[in-house]
Amino acid sequence: SQQGEEDPQALSIQEGENATMNCSYKTSINNLQWYRQNSGRGLVHLILIRSNEREKHSGRLRVTLDTSKKSSSLLITASRAADTASYFCATGAYSGAGSYQLTFGKGTKLSVIP
Amino acid sequence: KAGVTQTPRYLIKTRGQQVTLSCSPISGHRSVSWYQQTPGQGLQFLFEYFSETQRNKGNFPGRFSGRQFSNSRSEMNVSTLELGDSALYLCASSLDVQGALRQNTEAFFGQGTRLTVV
Repeated sequence: SQQGEEDPQALSIQEGENATMNCSYKTSINNLQWYRQNSGRGLVHLILIRSNEREKHSGRLRVTLDTSKKSSSLLITASRAADTASYFCATGAYSGAGSYQLTFGKGTKLSVIP
Repeated sequence: KAGVTQTPRYLIKTRGQQVTLSCSPISGHRSVSWYQQTPGQGLQFLFEYFSETQRNKGNFPGRFSGRQFSNSRSEMNVSTLELGDSALYLCASSLDVQGALRQNTEAFFGQGTRLTVV
């Protein structure tokens, strides 16, 4: 089952603008990861934020995590046409058996117009 | 270092047939998970294997099964295929860590196998 929702479901921006995507979840987590998917291909790992972190940066990406609100956001600065893709957040948690499982949101479809 | 490799990339099968998909994890990764992606249900967890043992299973019927070999390579099998099994099947590998290191667990995905059931 889906952990939560991503918002917005679709986002269209001009090249050079910033894109912000939000993700909410329901249960406790070990970490949260963001992935990119181009046209139904595999998932590309973008960034991981641990449950005890509030913010993390990687290049043009900035991720925040608010565990009290059970929400995260992904900011892509100075967007490029090549950033056009679907973006998914996935909460990671360990089960009692020691198994690590990701639970995904429905994703945000980002279109960057040149 | 090579990434996660899934074979085949594309498959077309007929209803009622069975199919086997393969996944080779990143070298050194012993945990392999499988996910199904469909337009309607999104990305859903199928099962996770570690050290040739299934440690966790999602909410899928028994027609979906898997196994892991001693070299950590994994296969998943779907028997008696239905039209609704058409999906992108993704495999992810990760390091199995303990304690506080678990917060750093990253899962890396392959390119997926696109299964079409006709």
